[in-house]
This record gives sequence, C-alpha cells and structure tokens, in this order.
Amino acid sequence: QSALTQPPSASGSPGQSVTISCTGTSSDVGGYRYVSWYQQHPGKAPKLMIYEVNKRPSGVPDRFSGSKSGNTASLTVSGLQAEDEADYYCSSYAGSNNVFGTGTKVTVL
Amino acid sequence: QVQLQESGPGLVKPSETLSLTCTVSGYSISNNYYWGWIRQPPGKGLEWIGNIFQTGNTYYNPSLKSRVSMSLDTSKNQFSLKLSSVTAADTAVYYCARDGSTSAFDSWGQGTLVTVSS
Repeated sequence: QSALTQPPSASGSPGQSVTISCTGTSSDVGGYRYVSWYQQHPGKAPKLMIYEVNKRPSGVPDRFSGSKSGNTASLTVSGLQAEDEADYYCSSYAGSNNVFGTGTKVTVL
Repeated sequence: QVQLQESGPGLVKPSETLSLTCTVSGYSISNNYYWGWIRQPPGKGLEWIGNIFQTGNTYYNPSLKSRVSMSLDTSKNQFSLKLSSVTAADTAVYYCARDGSTSAFDSWGQGTLVTVSS
C-alpha cells in the first residue's frame, strides 16, 4: 500500500483559513468513510483532530473541519492561530489495513 | 482517562529482534477496541505497523507483515510488538495507540526512540 499524498507545506496568516488535501485511491480514501486527521507538534505524539471524515473528538475546536470527495479528503483550519502551526497527517482505512498520508507542515505567517 | 506508555530497549543490533511493550492504564485492553503500533523515522512521516484486537486477531502492514508479530497480555493490561531482522531503516520513534475501530487512533503513548546500530 502506498502512502496517501499530501502537499508538503501550507501556510496562512492569523485569522485566515488553510485547507490541506489528502489523495488516495478507491481502495482507501475513496472506498470508506474512515478518514482521520492528526496534528503533531515537534517532539510530541500525534493528536486526533478529525475522525470518520468530518467528526471532531471532544475538545477539538470547531475551527477544524473535514470533508471528502471521491478519492480526496480535506482538512480545513479556519481562523488560524499561532498554536495551529504543526505537521498534519491524514489516515485512511484500507481494508484490514491503515495507511497514513505523507504529511503537511502548516506555517502560520 | 486512558494512558499508554511504551517501554523497551532503545538500541537494537542489526539482524536482531526489536521488542516493545505498551502498558495501558485507565482502560482495560479486553474491552472493545483495537490496539496499534505506529512508527516515525527521524524527520519523516508516520507509518502504521499493525493492530491487534481484544480477541487476539492481528492486522499488519503488508510491507512489514513477514517480520511483525503482536500479542496481548490481558493480565498485565499490556500489548507487545516484535519486529525481526531489523536494519538501520527500522530506526524510528515507535508509538502505541488505541484505535476506536474506525481507524482513528484517539489515544497515544509518548513514543520511544529505537535505534538500530551495531
């Protein structure tokens, strides 16, 4: 299984929005509604931000939202804040397997 | 609140077997969740290694399947990872995590760095 494809970087000014894409195939992203997104700050463990495409765990701000169309999932961070600067990874169920994305570094300008 | 903690040797010699244990507190691993291992080579992205269910059923990354073994010890509320025939490419931070059955890892350990070197 190949890693899901994400852009290496994305950026935005405080208060703006940034959207990160996650492209897979019909065997993973396109085939299931089990897409998750994780935030990882340097030296820290990843944190679940979105699960099942667009659901937020308790405690995750509603500035974070997810969607999916075909084989591509997206994470949008609205109202960017300094603490949103981090690496973001998508993940998808792939039929008894899981596959992560290549990761996107989000910079708050 | 569930907490996970990885433990094991930080240095493994090439061709040997990497062994790690994840101790879970605040939640019984016998309940209805999957338990997984994920790794991250220095400066690189996340890679799913595998999951184990409460029944002992295992699911492994096809690229690692021939070298990976996972097990549960419900009496100690722990689950374990073994990766055989390691090389320098297996050097990574290894995380254990809980998967709520929808391929979403909602709780993670802090991670442990394992270096493969002679």
